[in-house]
Amino acid sequence: DIQMTQSPSSLSASVGDRVTITCRASQGVRNHLGWYQQQPGKAPKRLIYAISTLESGVPSRFSGSGSETEFTLTIGSLRPEDFATYFCLQYIISPWTFGQGTRVEIK
Amino acid sequence: QVRLVQSGAEVKKPGASVKVSCKASGYTFTNYYLHWVRRAPGQGLEWMGIIGPGDGSTSYSQKFQGRVTLTSDTSTSAVYMELNSLRSEDTAVYYCARQLWSLDYWGQGTLVTVSS
Repeated sequence: DIQMTQSPSSLSASVGDRVTITCRASQGVRNHLGWYQQQPGKAPKRLIYAISTLESGVPSRFSGSGSETEFTLTIGSLRPEDFATYFCLQYIISPWTFGQGTRVEIK
Repeated sequence: QVRLVQSGAEVKKPGASVKVSCKASGYTFTNYYLHWVRRAPGQGLEWMGIIGPGDGSTSYSQKFQGRVTLTSDTSTSAVYMELNSLRSEDTAVYYCARQLWSLDYWGQGTLVTVSS
């Protein structure tokens, strides 16, 4: 199985801060990498797929980058509604695997 | 609009089985694979398996092989996830999700609690 190592596991930030979350894959996943946001008690919401393609309706302050084994989700300027948990997902090979999540909390 | 609506919360005893439904609407049911993913308390998301709703083809995570069965009913545009031999570690929220360049639309989740 491909292991997805996500860091940090949690972070505290203020509204307006720039936030970066990283996912490292145990083997290359080409462009089969996506990012999700999950609010407490709600289903995950897709933010980005194919490394950097923004889901329709997702604000442009969210961006993705990287290649093969190293990927980054950046929130350009944190807003109150962005405090949530974020996950990466590799979908190149079964079983699909998720990062363990990054909880973004209010400082 | 695309919607995936899941069945309600379940409480089961260890050793029992649970069957969760996911009813799709707003798109052509047979054109998209559907996946099942779960999230246990304090844990990350865990992929369980995939079904092709049109032909019923399935693939499961090795972790759940032999304990999980995915089925589909094209007459009602629904897929089902049945998990057997439940144990306390299976307490989780279970989600169905549609595949389009990874997983685009998700159901609202179904809490399954396993407790004696």
